[in-house]
Parts: sequence; C-alpha cells; structure tokens
Amino acid sequence: KAGVTQTPRYLIKTRGQQVTLSCSPISGHRSVSWYQQTPGQGLQFLFEYFSETQRNKGNFPGRFSGRQFSNSRSEMNVSTLELGDSALYLCASSRTLGAGETQYFGPGTRLLVL
Amino acid sequence: AQSVTQLGSHVSVSEGALVLLRCNYSSSVPPYLFWYVQYPNQGLQLLLKYTSAATLVKGINGFEAEFKKSETSFHLTKPSAHMSDAAEYFCAVSRVGGGGNKLTFGTGTQLKVEL
Repeated sequence: KAGVTQTPRYLIKTRGQQVTLSCSPISGHRSVSWYQQTPGQGLQFLFEYFSETQRNKGNFPGRFSGRQFSNSRSEMNVSTLELGDSALYLCASSRTLGAGETQYFGPGTRLLVL
Repeated sequence: AQSVTQLGSHVSVSEGALVLLRCNYSSSVPPYLFWYVQYPNQGLQLLLKYTSAATLVKGINGFEAEFKKSETSFHLTKPSAHMSDAAEYFCAVSRVGGGGNKLTFGTGTQLKVEL
C-alpha cells in the first residue's frame, strides 16, 4: 500500500506570494492533518480534516487555510507569505478520527520564503 | 491542556550501548502517547504507541517504552544502539475525548551514535 504523498517536495517563494501544498493520504484513510515544523517552534499542529470538514484547528493566522476533497486528498494554502513561514510542512493521514488513531506522515514539503 | 516534555535535546551513545530517551507527559486523564523518529530530510515514522492496553509497549527496530503513571513518564529505550538509530526522536500526546487526532509534540531529542 502506498504511503502518504506530498507535492511538491520543495518550493521557493517570495514574500507576499501565496502557495498551495497537496497531500494524498493512504488509500482508505479519511482523516488528514497538517503540521508545520521549524527549528524554532518545533512541530505545531495546523488543522485536521475528516469527511471534507475541518474538525480541529491550531493557533495559526487566517492566512493558513486548507480543504479536503471527497477522495480524502487535502490541500493547504498560505496566502501573503512571510519569511517566518519557511518551514517543513508535514501531512499525516489516519483511518478515522480518534485520539488513539495512528497518524502516518508523508515526507513533507519544504517551503523557503525569500 | 495536554503536553509532553522531552529531557535532553541531544543524547550521545556508543554503538552497542543502551539508548534511553526521556519523555514526561502532563495530562489530567490517561493519554495516548506516541514515539516517532525522523531521519534527515524525511517525515515522521511511528516507532510505537501507548493506548492503555499494556504498560510496556514494543515497537519497531528493537525500541520499547514503558508507561509509568506514577512518574507520568513514557521513556523510550533500546538495549543496544546501532549506527542507523542516529536520528531525531519525538514524543507526542494525543488529546483524549476531543474527537480529533491532534498530536502535541515534544521538542525532540537528537540521538547521536558513536563508534
């Protein structure tokens, strides 16, 4: 079974631009979560989706948004990029929602904002 | 709010020595706890998880962790380190009763294995 895939793997953008990252979950998984990883802040939860609905959201500004499609694939969007948005963005999928559910992570998209 | 604290941002061991990575949790109810490993330029890989079925949890690659409620700890161990174990390790807690999957991670421990 294929793992979680994320595209693109690397991105370079300039301040003020917007970016869209894509995540394809493991087949049969219906929940997708997004995390931001930076050297200074570590791993921080962005949001999670289940059945095309955002179920939980982290403490990030409204510039960060996401959505989930009927096939469980998810995208996240960051508008008006800032230098501090440079990070590794990780997507994780799980079969369903539930605190004990195992989340399987993709390789991440590394975003550099210049 | 639930949280985890990882003591020691860097741990160095000799090949063949015991690996001990520390994690303490803060939770008002028994939590779900996870250990993940991250190799350079990769995502996170699950090593093991605690979901209250057994206090001693065995994971992949010879790792195990013991849930100790009295000490609010979930330390990760491996009897004999291998060079391939060099990576960053994250302890995480999942919110109970919230209906979601959100993981709250510790700050990570970088494991170095020396010859």
